[in-house]
Amino acid sequence: GNSVTQMEGPVTLSEEAFLTINCTYTATGYPSLFWYVQYPGEGLQLLLKATKADDKGSNKGFEATYRKETTSFHLEKGSVQVSDSAVYFCALGGTSYGKLTFGQGTILTVHP
Amino acid sequence: EPEVTQTPSHQVTQMGQEVILRCVPISNHLYFYWYRQILGQKVEFLVSFYNNEISEKSEIFDDQFSVERPDGSNFTLKIRSTKLEDSAMYFCASSEAAGGPETQYFGPGTRLLVL
Repeated sequence: GNSVTQMEGPVTLSEEAFLTINCTYTATGYPSLFWYVQYPGEGLQLLLKATKADDKGSNKGFEATYRKETTSFHLEKGSVQVSDSAVYFCALGGTSYGKLTFGQGTILTVHP
Repeated sequence: EPEVTQTPSHQVTQMGQEVILRCVPISNHLYFYWYRQILGQKVEFLVSFYNNEISEKSEIFDDQFSVERPDGSNFTLKIRSTKLEDSAMYFCASSEAAGGPETQYFGPGTRLLVL
């Protein structure tokens, strides 16, 4: 079945540092890939998505490229801010009924 | 901006009791979902619902669980006889359509604690 593996956290960075959160997946067919973010006390919000190989999703300075050859969808940001502190979830959407398969989440803390 | 809402935000219950978690999806959405996250573990899919029927469910979603859309706005998850291992954060989500690229919009969650 489908599965998603995220890098172990938590990740602690200083403001303006470069961020990478690794995500790899196993899936049959051609899934869509998502990054969701959860800020403290809030629900999961879509950060970005990519629907086919080599697509790049981007939003709020975050980027991720759908790499079919390495089955990866790593999240990157060139310069993080304190306000980026949150939990980041990689997810895979593959079925016609919309089921999402999530990774375990990565806690990001950014210090001033 | 439209959003998914959930009530209550927190619920504490005794083992064996029934609980109903409530969700109000975004008004023009047609597909509804429940997920849960046990503390420290992955967010897990429970069930999807469309046209007043379950479309897909996971192996977690056994006979103790049921979902309902009792009116035009609410979407509920009922756990008939709660167990300790049902303690988790429960997320409701909705989407305009279903399928791989469709974005699901999530509520803030209900934290359920079973004692």
